[in-house]
Amino acid sequence: EVQLVQSGTEVKKPGESLKISCKVSGSSFTDYWIGWVRQIAGKGLEWMGITHVGHSDTKYSPSFQGQVSISADKSISTAYLQWSSLRASDTAIFYCLLGVHGTYYFDHWGQGTLVTVSS
Amino acid sequence: QSALTQPASVSGSPGQSITISCSGTTSDVGGYNSVSWYQQHPGKAPKLMIYDVSNRPSGVSDRFSGSKSGNTASLTISGLQVEDEADYYCNSFSGSTYVFGTGTKVTVL
Repeated sequence: EVQLVQSGTEVKKPGESLKISCKVSGSSFTDYWIGWVRQIAGKGLEWMGITHVGHSDTKYSPSFQGQVSISADKSISTAYLQWSSLRASDTAIFYCLLGVHGTYYFDHWGQGTLVTVSS
Repeated sequence: QSALTQPASVSGSPGQSITISCSGTTSDVGGYNSVSWYQQHPGKAPKLMIYDVSNRPSGVSDRFSGSKSGNTASLTISGLQVEDEADYYCNSFSGSTYVFGTGTKVTVL
């Protein structure tokens, strides 16, 4: 069974950096993408970007380009979402999701990581 | 890149059918047969309900169906049940990235 396990809750101050992770287990996929989605409390899902786990091709939503960095380490089947300088407006739940290369849907999601940015 | 447009809320009584629309443009919904739908219960991660416009993953009830006409996709839930009460989001491929809909809260009266 494919599982995406995300790192735990984070509480950070404005200006701090952060890197959260998403580890894929139980997968026989060799060619897949990991995407990231933001959900601010009480709001909808927002597409942030996606990276290919293998050749590191990464594509960002225009709204998040330059605001975050998405990467992956194929050797440990783990993807990352990173901020260099957090803002209070980054407070949200972040989900990772897996899509097999050549498909355009995501039937495996992580449990979500809550990030709170507050002074 | 704007979010796809969905009605904020749709409601129905048990056993009824409801339809949720998802309006986009020729750059997303209208340009690709890559529309998917996700169900999200409070405090839970989203779950894939429909992919590639009208396909159901294994394990998803056949009460859920999807379609598309032009730049608008639709999700229909027939025989509405209490457990269908949730938020629903459409998603479309849009060339090099993806875009979600604004989300629809389904209430079972």
